[in-house]
Amino acid sequence: DAGVIQSPRHEVTEMGQEVTLRCKPISGHNSLFWYRQTMMRGLELLIYFNNNVPIDDSGMPEDRFSAKMPNASFSTLKIQPSEPRDSAVYFCASSLSQGNTEAFFGQGTRLTVV
Amino acid sequence: DQQVKQNSPSLSVQEGRISILNCDYTNSMFDYFLWYKKYPAEGPTFLISISSIKDKNEDGRFTVFLNKSAKHLSLHIVPSQPGDSAVYFCAASEGNTPLVFGKGTRLSVIA
Repeated sequence: DAGVIQSPRHEVTEMGQEVTLRCKPISGHNSLFWYRQTMMRGLELLIYFNNNVPIDDSGMPEDRFSAKMPNASFSTLKIQPSEPRDSAVYFCASSLSQGNTEAFFGQGTRLTVV
Repeated sequence: DQQVKQNSPSLSVQEGRISILNCDYTNSMFDYFLWYKKYPAEGPTFLISISSIKDKNEDGRFTVFLNKSAKHLSLHIVPSQPGDSAVYFCAASEGNTPLVFGKGTRLSVIA
C-alpha cells in the first residue's frame, strides 16, 4: 500500500481564493482525520470521519472551512475564502478505527495564503 | 486548553547518550498513548505506543514509560543516533476518540 496520499504537496494562493486539499486514505481504514500543524498550536484535529460519515467537526476553526468524504477512498478539505492566517501544514491521516490505535499520516499539504 | 503537554520545545543530546522526552496530560480518562516522530517535509510516523494497563513498553532502542498517578509519560532513546534528530510528538486517546497531540519536542542528536 502506498500509504495516505495527499495533494497538492504545496499550495500558494491569494487571500480570498478557494483552496481544496485532497486525501486518499489507506485502503481498508475506516477512520479519516484532518489535522493542521502550526507553530503556536502544534497538531490540532479539525474534523474526523468514520465510515465516510463526519463525526466531529468541532475543531474546524470557522465556517470558511468544510470537509467531505464522498466515498471510502477520497476526502477533501476546502477553505473558502482563504485568509493569510490559514497558512499552515494540513495533514490527513487514516486508521482502522477512531481511537486506541495508531493513525497513519500523509506527507501533508503546506498552504501559504498571501 | 491543552490536554497533552510537551513542555520542552527542544532538546540536544550527544550521540551515544540517552535522550529523554517528556509528556504530561490532564485527562485521566486517556487510556492509550503514542509517540510519533516527524522529519521535515514529511508526515508524522508512528514510533511506539503504550496502553494504560502497562507502565513500560520497549522496542529496540525506544522505551516508553507511563506513570498514571503523575499523568506523565516519557520516551527514552538509548543510544541516541544522529538519525534520531526529528520532532517527537506525544499523543493520547480516550476510548474510541481520535488522538490528541502535544506541540512536539525537537530533538537534535549531535555527533
